[in-house]
Parts: sequence; C-alpha cells; structure tokens
Amino acid sequence: EAQVTQNPRYLITVTGKKLTVTCSQNMNHEYMSWYRQDPGLGLRQIYYSMNVEVTDKGDVPEGYKVSRKEKRNFPLILESPSPNQTSLYFCASSEGGDTQYFGPGTRLTVL
Amino acid sequence: QKEVEQNSGPLSVPEGAIASLNCTYSDRGSQSFFWYRQYSGKSPELIMSIYSNGDKEDGRFTAQLNKASQYVSLLIRDSQPSDSATYLCAVNRGDKIIFGKGTRLHILP
Repeated sequence: EAQVTQNPRYLITVTGKKLTVTCSQNMNHEYMSWYRQDPGLGLRQIYYSMNVEVTDKGDVPEGYKVSRKEKRNFPLILESPSPNQTSLYFCASSEGGDTQYFGPGTRLTVL
Repeated sequence: QKEVEQNSGPLSVPEGAIASLNCTYSDRGSQSFFWYRQYSGKSPELIMSIYSNGDKEDGRFTAQLNKASQYVSLLIRDSQPSDSATYLCAVNRGDKIIFGKGTRLHILP
C-alpha cells in the first residue's frame, strides 16, 4: 500500500529536550516536505527536499532541522524545542512537487 | 494580499443541496490547483486537481478554474453529512505549494 508514515503520532516533551520525528514514504517520490498546522494559521511549510541531499527552507524554518540521506526518509529534528513549537505536524511527499500525499500527522506538545 | 485566500466559514449547507467553496490566489504564474479535504485531527486528502481553465468533474465534485480572475472553486452536489470537513485550496506557484487556511463546511441533516 502506497503510504507516508510518521512516528511518533503523539509526543509530549519538555522545553529543550531534543527530539526527532521520522517520516518515510514508499512511493519513490523525490519531493518531500514538512508542514505544521495551527488553528487560524493553516498549513505552513517548514522545510522541503527536492531530492537526496537537497533541502531548502519553507516559510517557518526557525527552530527546525531536516536531513535527506535516503530518498524514502525525511526526519524533522527539533534541537531545543520550545512551547511555541506545540503544533500538529504533517510530512508529505509528491512526484515533482505537485499533488501532496500526507502522512497521518504528529501531535507535539512542548511543556 | 494573501497568496491563497479562502473564506474560513463555517459554511452551512442542507443535506442534498450544492455546496460551493471558493478560493482566490495572487500569483498569476500559478499552474496547478488542488482541493484537499481534511477531517478534524486527520491529514489532508486530495479531492481534485485542475490545471486548465474550465470545469473538471469527478463524481459529486466539480472543480472550476478561471485563471484570468485568479479564482478556483469546488462544487459538491447532493451534499452528505460525511462531506462535513475543512476544505483546503492549494496552489502550485512553481517553486512551492501554497495552502489556503481552509473553509469549514457543515452539512445540516
């Protein structure tokens, strides 16, 4: 089954404790991206990657890091999480950056 | 001007009626346009994509694109309670996909 998976689905952590949210897709897509979704602000792109070892900032990259060492994986790293990073996070993949296929989401709470 | 604008709603429509959702975009160079449906707490899922001016129909859904007016719409015929969700308009600007904030649709039984 074609899918995008994310782990963990739910995470509660404390300020400053480094965390990684994993994202994996099995569709051989070149384009992957991370979004955060907040009430009233909609979906905002954090980072995207057009291919292995190629990443670029989206609209809200501050406080986040990504890497793309393999085509299928695109982890999101929060080196020092803060409460304003409490949000619902979605990973997405697409062929050529067009139709986005979304993962199930990760609900992150930073205390 | 926001890049992709949608009325946040809620838009309330009686069951069986036509729901009409609208979206405007600012970048005239945009080439592809999408409608996603998102249930509360779930991930967005693609309903329709449209690339050229005119109408595109898929079952109960019709997407309409007018590039001259920079306007995209989604019509849902014979609205069902299961259509109650937030509908996101997305525009491929060339360098990235830009999402609107979404319109909440409520189908009244």
